[in-house]
Amino acid sequence: AQKVTQAQTEISVVEKEDVTLDCVYETRDTTYYLFWYKQPPSGELVFLIRRNSFDEQNEISGRYSWNFQKSTSSFNFTITASQVVDSAVYFCALIVYNQGGKLIFGQGTELSVKP
Amino acid sequence: DSGVTQTPKHLITATGQRVTLRCSPRSGDLSVYWYQQSLDQGLQFLIQYYNGEERAKGNILERFSAQQFPDLHSELNLSSLELGDSALYFCASSADRGPYNEQFFGPGTRLTVL
Repeated sequence: AQKVTQAQTEISVVEKEDVTLDCVYETRDTTYYLFWYKQPPSGELVFLIRRNSFDEQNEISGRYSWNFQKSTSSFNFTITASQVVDSAVYFCALIVYNQGGKLIFGQGTELSVKP
Repeated sequence: DSGVTQTPKHLITATGQRVTLRCSPRSGDLSVYWYQQSLDQGLQFLIQYYNGEERAKGNILERFSAQQFPDLHSELNLSSLELGDSALYFCASSADRGPYNEQFFGPGTRLTVL
């Protein structure tokens, strides 16, 4: 069975601090995709990144960076110099290759960035 | 704005009733997905349709059903509603039927069952 675990339920930081959101996944499949989505207070889900299981290169997009490590089954997300607008719930998710588009979500991490 | 539209935005109804949630995918997207978000269950995949055909199924209750029409819009029907069905229901769409493309989510329909 596949599973995504986000052990951090809530994180609170002060603006400009760096913060890392942890994500650990479980699957026996060798082909899979990992995702991060952001859910701001307005409620919609916003796509941030997709990674396939064969690409372990880290990725950076502005203040956002992602660290994918197959050896530890982790796909962590770091926000550098956090801002108040980063306050949201962040979800890590997994799709296994042969199960269509079924996204398996973690429980989410609520990030609060205080001024 | 993701380009995925959902109506209605809010729905309040009573136990035992039936409701229909509607979703229009992004232009050109052939896959439509339905997800339920509740406090106790989190975000759960319900069902996927690809170009009118059911493609994948999650833990969707028998009281729930969905379909995708020839114009690619989709409807999720919830019947014999219970208090526990109160949740935020998201529709998402993607270009393809597999994991190759990211899913873009609509704003959701908040269902309250009283």
